[in-house]
Amino acid sequence: AQTVTQSQPEMSVQEAETVTLSCTYDTSESNYYLFWYKQPPSRQMILVIRQEAYKQQNATENRFSVNFQKAAKSFSLKISDSQLGDTAMYFCAFRPYVFGNEKLTFGTGTRLTIIP
Amino acid sequence: DSGVTQTPKHLITATGQRVTLRCSPRSGDLSVYWYQQSLDQGLQFLIHYYNGEERAKGNILERFSAQQFPDLHSELNLSSLELGDSALYFCASSINEGGYGYTFGSGTRLTVV
Repeated sequence: AQTVTQSQPEMSVQEAETVTLSCTYDTSESNYYLFWYKQPPSRQMILVIRQEAYKQQNATENRFSVNFQKAAKSFSLKISDSQLGDTAMYFCAFRPYVFGNEKLTFGTGTRLTIIP
Repeated sequence: DSGVTQTPKHLITATGQRVTLRCSPRSGDLSVYWYQQSLDQGLQFLIHYYNGEERAKGNILERFSAQQFPDLHSELNLSSLELGDSALYFCASSINEGGYGYTFGSGTRLTVV
């Protein structure tokens, strides 16, 4: 079974600064996908970024980028030039690349607050 | 609008009652997943349907059941409700292959009183 660990329950940062959220996972699979989801106060779950484990290049989406370290089973999210709208819960999630087992396993989340 | 529609948005009911939550997946998505999000348990996987067939079960109580219909919409039935069943219930859909993330609905907030 896979597990996802987010060791930072809460973080805060000044607007326009850079913040990094940590995520580690445990799996015996060699191929898998990793995701970061954002849950703002509206409670909607929004996909922020995805990474395919067989790709060495780290994914980026505008101000969001990841640092994927497969050997260390680490998948951190970096938010650059943070904005007030980035205030949300952030969940790291894992999905194995196994047909018939496509469920996402989520971490417990990090509550991020952007301070004006 | 994510394309995944969940109804109702809010539901308040008494202990012992039965409710049905409905989900319409994004157009073209064959997979539907149900998750429960409570304050102390995080996001817990309940069940996965693919094109009308049950694909995987998670920590779903026997009092809970689900199905996916030929038009691909899904329903989650919760019966003999207890106070502890109060939670946010999410439905999500995906293109099954390819490793894309889910698209989530806005959730149904269930309060059992």
